[in-house]
Amino acid sequence: ETGVTQSPTHLIKTRGQQVTLRCSSQSGHNTVSWYQQALGQGPQFIFQYYREEENGRGNFPPRFSGLQFPNYSSELNVNALELDDSALYLCASSSRAGRRKMEQYFGPGTRLTVT
Amino acid sequence: DQQVKQNSPSLSVQEGRISILNCDYTNSMFDYFLWYKKYPAEGPTFLISISSIKDKNEDGRFTVFLNKSAKHLSLHIVPSQPGDSAVYFCAAFNDYKLSFGAGTTVTVRA
Repeated sequence: ETGVTQSPTHLIKTRGQQVTLRCSSQSGHNTVSWYQQALGQGPQFIFQYYREEENGRGNFPPRFSGLQFPNYSSELNVNALELDDSALYLCASSSRAGRRKMEQYFGPGTRLTVT
Repeated sequence: DQQVKQNSPSLSVQEGRISILNCDYTNSMFDYFLWYKKYPAEGPTFLISISSIKDKNEDGRFTVFLNKSAKHLSLHIVPSQPGDSAVYFCAAFNDYKLSFGAGTTVTVRA
């Protein structure tokens, strides 16, 4: 069973630039969620994708957007980067089937630094 | 609005003793609660969950207790081992998303 993978591991960008982060879901999972974890805090929900559509969104501005592909992999795009966007970005996959839909399995994350 | 709170940022425990981690929540619509463990440079790893209709769930050394009336849950680790040293996150599930606490750093002393 292949786990959740994310790329790149680390990224340094300049304020105002755009960034794309990538995630491959665990085999058998059809739902992908993205979270932002700032230093010293717990992960904060950004949005979730199911069947290639945004299924729910947290309190993040529209410059945070995403995609899900037919193979269930996903991208997180952030436009007009701000210094406060510096964080660990986590992707989590899960299955909509059955009563285990709440169990989300996380990738190792992408550490984004905005200077 | 922080709906899930872990009020103890750190916990130090001797190897072989019990670790007790606490978590409080405010949203009565949460229907599942989960604990995750996180090592540095890794993503959170799912440990154990409990449905809101139960008050206890056990899996090996890990037991989660839920007190719905107090909106409180706890994770017990018995016995604590050096490999348990990590950050532990409490999370609550509603609809489609997880809401996390800020985490508790557990250090197991030899």
